[in-house]
Amino acid sequence: DTGVSQDPRHKITKRGQNVTFRCDPISEHNRLYWYRQTLGQGPEFLTYFQNEAQLEKSRLLSDRFSAERPKGSFSTLEIQRTEQGDSAMYLCASSPSSGVGELFFGEGSRLTVL
Amino acid sequence: SQKIEQNSEALNIQEGKTATLTCNYTNYSPAYLQWYRQDPGRGPVFLLLIRENEKEKRKERLKVTFDTTLKQSLFHITASQPADSATYLCALDTSGGYNKLIFGAGTRLAVHP
Repeated sequence: DTGVSQDPRHKITKRGQNVTFRCDPISEHNRLYWYRQTLGQGPEFLTYFQNEAQLEKSRLLSDRFSAERPKGSFSTLEIQRTEQGDSAMYLCASSPSSGVGELFFGEGSRLTVL
Repeated sequence: SQKIEQNSEALNIQEGKTATLTCNYTNYSPAYLQWYRQDPGRGPVFLLLIRENEKEKRKERLKVTFDTTLKQSLFHITASQPADSATYLCALDTSGGYNKLIFGAGTRLAVHP
């Protein structure tokens, strides 16, 4: 069990550029979640997948944000035309599909938009 | 909409004392509630889960209570140590078992030697 891994850990970009984050969940976990966290706040839910199906998207996920999990394994979160307000920590988590339980978080990808 | 409130101010306590953190929620009746620990620059780490029909749950020096009438959970760390210093997050499942969690803002705990 290598845990949830995220890449890159840090990304600095200029406003208007596109960025993509990758998340590799724990291999036997069918559910995958994306959260965003800003300083002094708890993680805010963005979206989640059951296998390759995206089951829900938060209203926080504007049209500039898109998430995919094409084969039900790794996932990508893309932000197009970044804005300074997108600066945050983007956290990925996974969990088994059987009922109630904990989320296993990665270490996050910190985005800074200049 | 659902709202989760945690003590916004940092909690400072002396080593060896018991730390008590509060989580209050409104506009929801969760079937269970979770607590996570988060260190600076790291992802949250799961600590405990308590179901609505459980009044209390313990794990080593940790204890969680869940009062669905008061809509409140209390998180206790007994015999606290400086290594317990971190932010503690309360989370509710709003998806009926899909583990889609809504988090509070967290309470920062500082344990002083």
